[in-house]
Amino acid sequence: AQSVTQPDIHITVSEGASLELRCNYSYGATPYLFWYVQSPGQGLQLLLKYFSGDTLVQGIKGFEAEFKRSQSSFNLRKPSVHWSDAAEYFCAVAPNSGYALNFGKGTSLLVTP
Amino acid sequence: DTAVSQTPKYLVTQMGNDKSIKCEQNLGHDTMYWYKQDSKKFLKIMFSYNNKELIINETVPNRFSPKSPDKAHLNLHINSLELGDSAVYFCASSDPGQGYGYTFGSGTRLTVV
Repeated sequence: AQSVTQPDIHITVSEGASLELRCNYSYGATPYLFWYVQSPGQGLQLLLKYFSGDTLVQGIKGFEAEFKRSQSSFNLRKPSVHWSDAAEYFCAVAPNSGYALNFGKGTSLLVTP
Repeated sequence: DTAVSQTPKYLVTQMGNDKSIKCEQNLGHDTMYWYKQDSKKFLKIMFSYNNKELIINETVPNRFSPKSPDKAHLNLHINSLELGDSAVYFCASSDPGQGYGYTFGSGTRLTVV
């Protein structure tokens, strides 16, 4: 069955430290891959997306993600976390364009001073 | 201009009532969706609607019915509301011809008392 897994429910990092959020998927072919961020009480904001081409994708707010076909992963990274990055992060996958997104269960990021 | 707008933002109602949530997109997208985010932040697709075709998620009770008067609007009508319907409902739209982006509304927080 098609699935999206975010293994880490909660992650705590110190401000200024690096961050990596994990995402693994199980699909028959390379799907379309997305990362969204949701601040408390807010909607979903797209950080970045991958469809094809360069496997290292740059997004907004200093985030990047790397697609690794061999590992069926699309991990999100940021070299230096800011307190404002504290939020819920969702990995999402679609099998093809025009299909609904299938979301992981999210990772809650806490940033400590 | 808001790309995907939902109204109302908050909705508090009693069990057994019927309510509607409206969604409008000004992006010219062909496909629209309704997602439900439960108390654990899990986002699940409810419906997707592409022009004339409605794709129904079988796990959604038939008390939920999407209605699309035109390509730019997809409303969600809920009959006989139950406590378990309390959640945040997100509308979204997408169009593969516009960079495969999925744009989300800001959400409607429904509370059934």
